[in-house]
Amino acid sequence: SAVISQKPSRDICQRGTSLTIQCQVDSQVTMMFWYRQQPGQSLTLIATANQGSEATYESGFVIDKFPISRPNLTFSTLTVSNMSPEDSSIYLCSGGSADTQYFGPGTRLTVL
Amino acid sequence: GQQVMQIPQYQHVQEGEDFTTYCNSSTTLSNIQWYKQRPGGHPVFLIQLVKSGEVKKQKRLTFQFGEAKKNSSLHITATQTTDVGTYFCARLLSGNQFYFGTGTSLTVIP
Repeated sequence: SAVISQKPSRDICQRGTSLTIQCQVDSQVTMMFWYRQQPGQSLTLIATANQGSEATYESGFVIDKFPISRPNLTFSTLTVSNMSPEDSSIYLCSGGSADTQYFGPGTRLTVL
Repeated sequence: GQQVMQIPQYQHVQEGEDFTTYCNSSTTLSNIQWYKQRPGGHPVFLIQLVKSGEVKKQKRLTFQFGEAKKNSSLHITATQTTDVGTYFCARLLSGNQFYFGTGTSLTVIP
């Protein structure tokens, strides 16, 4: 198994600013993903974080808005850029293999 | 599409009753995974099914993968209040992306 930590756990930000969320895994994992989840909704995949190369984004998500880094097999960051109230959500990172994913506790973002 | 549909969306049961959630896809699934998310928590991996017709059990939970690999189910026998949460199925695509189903929210009434 893997234990995943995220920080910050929550933040309140002003529109137009950016926030970087960090995701740390306690062991090396082959896959890392970033998701967004609105209250009461399912998880929406933002992108696959690729180690040492550009992330693979899902339809509707672009690198300029959600730049992602993954410098090694245990760490990744997601930046939410030029935020608007519509970006208010819970952002979750996950790590694991094709057989299972372990999730971080999430970052609750509120944009005013 | 990539998302799998789950039914029902919500389910309220009396404690001790059984519960079943279904996961349906229009395309063949290479595998299916099930996760549980408690209120205020994050998704926690329960199980993975890979083979056609596969059945796996975890105590009171029974997981099935359809013969055609287009659907799956999670059945809970004699629900307890600790079963409360949202149950998601998730599929893995060839590009190693995980897509989550729409989820079934379970409420257990004591």
